[in-house]
Amino acid sequence: KQEVTQIPAALSVPEGENLVLNCSFTDSAIYNLQWFRQDPGKGLTSLLLIQSSQREQTSGRLNASLDKSSGRSTLYIAASQPGDSATYLCAVGTYGGSQGNLIFGKGTKLSVKP
Amino acid sequence: DGGITQSPKYLFRKEGQNVTLSCEQNLNHDAMYWYRQDPGQGLRLIYYSQIVNDFQKGDIAEGYSVSREKKESFPLTVTSAQKNPTAFYLCASGQGAYYGYTFGSGTRLTVV
Repeated sequence: KQEVTQIPAALSVPEGENLVLNCSFTDSAIYNLQWFRQDPGKGLTSLLLIQSSQREQTSGRLNASLDKSSGRSTLYIAASQPGDSATYLCAVGTYGGSQGNLIFGKGTKLSVKP
Repeated sequence: DGGITQSPKYLFRKEGQNVTLSCEQNLNHDAMYWYRQDPGQGLRLIYYSQIVNDFQKGDIAEGYSVSREKKESFPLTVTSAQKNPTAFYLCASGQGAYYGYTFGSGTRLTVV
């Protein structure tokens, strides 16, 4: 059974810092990995989608990497801003079963202090 | 604009009542999903449907039911058999996992 772990569970940084969020998964048989952002009481907003054949994806100040063989992904946020404060979730796309196709970690709650 | 619409945003259920959460998408996606989110638990899959008139149970299907009569719609009914229904419910859709998933804004259900 695929398990996804995100470390740390919470992170507080001063504005302007560069930071890294970590995601690990137990089964390397995935076909993609997706990073989401969730604001309090809101739905999930997709940030980046990395296919299993790719090593990284970039969007603005965000860069996500994928190392399928080691079961790891990182989300790098450059020059953090208070507006980046949210919970960040990673999810791996799998090949079905009772878990469906998308398995989530529990998230990292990020707080960026002005 | 294409997207997923969940309604209502807030829902209150009395003990013993069935309630239905709506999820509609205009993205022409084949697959739709229902997740439950509790504090500290992450997202857990309730039901999913990969095609009209077909759906499968996820990890926590007990006390829930769904239907998929139209491609655009995937309503979730929380029955009286669900003993702890208070949670945040999220609907998602996708055109094959290769393309990733799109989520709605969620429905917060509270038992009163």
